[in-house]
Amino acid sequence: EIVMTQSPAILSVSPGERATLSCRASHNINNNLAWYQRKPGQAPRLLIFGASTRATGIPARFSGGGSGTEFTLTISSLQSEDLAVYYCQQYNLWPPVTFGGGTKVEIK
Amino acid sequence: EVRLVESGGVVVQPGGSLRLSCAASGYIFGDYAMHWVRQAPGKGLEWVSMITREGGSTYYADSVKGRFTISRDNSRNSLYLQMNSLRTEDTALYYCARDRGGSSYDFWGQGTLVTVS
Repeated sequence: EIVMTQSPAILSVSPGERATLSCRASHNINNNLAWYQRKPGQAPRLLIFGASTRATGIPARFSGGGSGTEFTLTISSLQSEDLAVYYCQQYNLWPPVTFGGGTKVEIK
Repeated sequence: EVRLVESGGVVVQPGGSLRLSCAASGYIFGDYAMHWVRQAPGKGLEWVSMITREGGSTYYADSVKGRFTISRDNSRNSLYLQMNSLRTEDTALYYCARDRGGSSYDFWGQGTLVTVS
């Protein structure tokens, strides 16, 4: 099973500032990584797949990067509506697909 | 508009059984593999099970193998999860999710809460 580790656990960022979230895989997962956003009381929403491809309707301020074992999700200019928990997920080697523990983004 | 609506979550005693349902609309259900993913209170997301488009192949997390059964009825646009021998650690919000291809998920339901107590 591939273990996904996200950091930091909590990220506090001022509106308009850049937020950078990290995700590390225990083994090479190529670019088979997705990012999800989960707002309180809502279903998770796909942001990024293939490590760097934005899903339909996702604003351009969200970008994904990395390959192999190290990945990032960047929110270029944080908006108040971006308050959420963000999860990375590997789907390179499954079953099982595995998720990171999440990064909670707070508005400073 | 794609919609996934889960139902069937209740409070059940340890050792009990439960069947979750997921009603899909807004797309051709049989064109997509489907998954169940859960989130226990205060924990992260955990993949539970997957079924291929025609239902010919199924996969399970080790934690539920032998106790849970995933199935689908493409004529009813519905996904199911039969949960037997429930344990307290199965307490979670259960989501159904559509596989966009390769096991990432482009649509999720709102979830249904299962409490084993």
